[in-house]
Amino acid sequence: QVYLQPSGPGLVKPSETLSLTCSVSGGPIDLYYWAWVRQPPGKGLELLAYTYIRGNIYYNPSLKSRLTMSVGSSGAQFSLSLRSVTAADAAVYYCARRASSYSPTGSYFYYMDVWGMGTAVTVSS
Amino acid sequence: DIQMTQSPSSLSASVGDRVAITCRASQNIDTYLNWYQQKAGEAPKLLIYGATTLHGDVPSRFSGSGSGTEFTLTISNLQPEDFATYYCQHGSDDHFTFGHGTKVVI
Repeated sequence: QVYLQPSGPGLVKPSETLSLTCSVSGGPIDLYYWAWVRQPPGKGLELLAYTYIRGNIYYNPSLKSRLTMSVGSSGAQFSLSLRSVTAADAAVYYCARRASSYSPTGSYFYYMDVWGMGTAVTVSS
Repeated sequence: DIQMTQSPSSLSASVGDRVAITCRASQNIDTYLNWYQQKAGEAPKLLIYGATTLHGDVPSRFSGSGSGTEFTLTISNLQPEDFATYYCQHGSDDHFTFGHGTKVVI
């Protein structure tokens, strides 16, 4: 069974960079896409980025200029950096696996089938 | 960008009830629609993908329907563990927009 374990600083100062890592165990990292999703307190889910170990990176257009994601640069892990954080970036950050299934129309359904437990990030000086 | 709108934003129900949650897409998304369940303090859990396919060992009291722009998640015989927030998500390549969620409360 695939297990995702996120890690992060918990507290970040405004204007600094938030760095998150997700460790993957129980399955291969090079056969799937991996994603970051966040959830501000009391609010809904927001996809931040996803990528494949040898593929292009998708970034949420509204955050693209501040995001960097990588996969596999340090073993079975993927990471996310968010620069110039503000109070609006305070959230629970989830890492997830993006999987796919063949659709009857010849395309693929894409969904997040495995999620890490989430790591809470507070932005405060 | 395709927008996903859920209704209602919350609903009250009792154990044993049948409930339905609607998700509308701003454009035709065929059946590229996923449903997730999130309990308080937990990560989301995939329930349904491709609008109708139950994931893994999700109980059969959960069902999904719809195509194009209108989709429904139905929970039959609501159980105590089903009280949670449910999110729809557009799930096609490069599109993963979530709805704003529907909270099912007792």
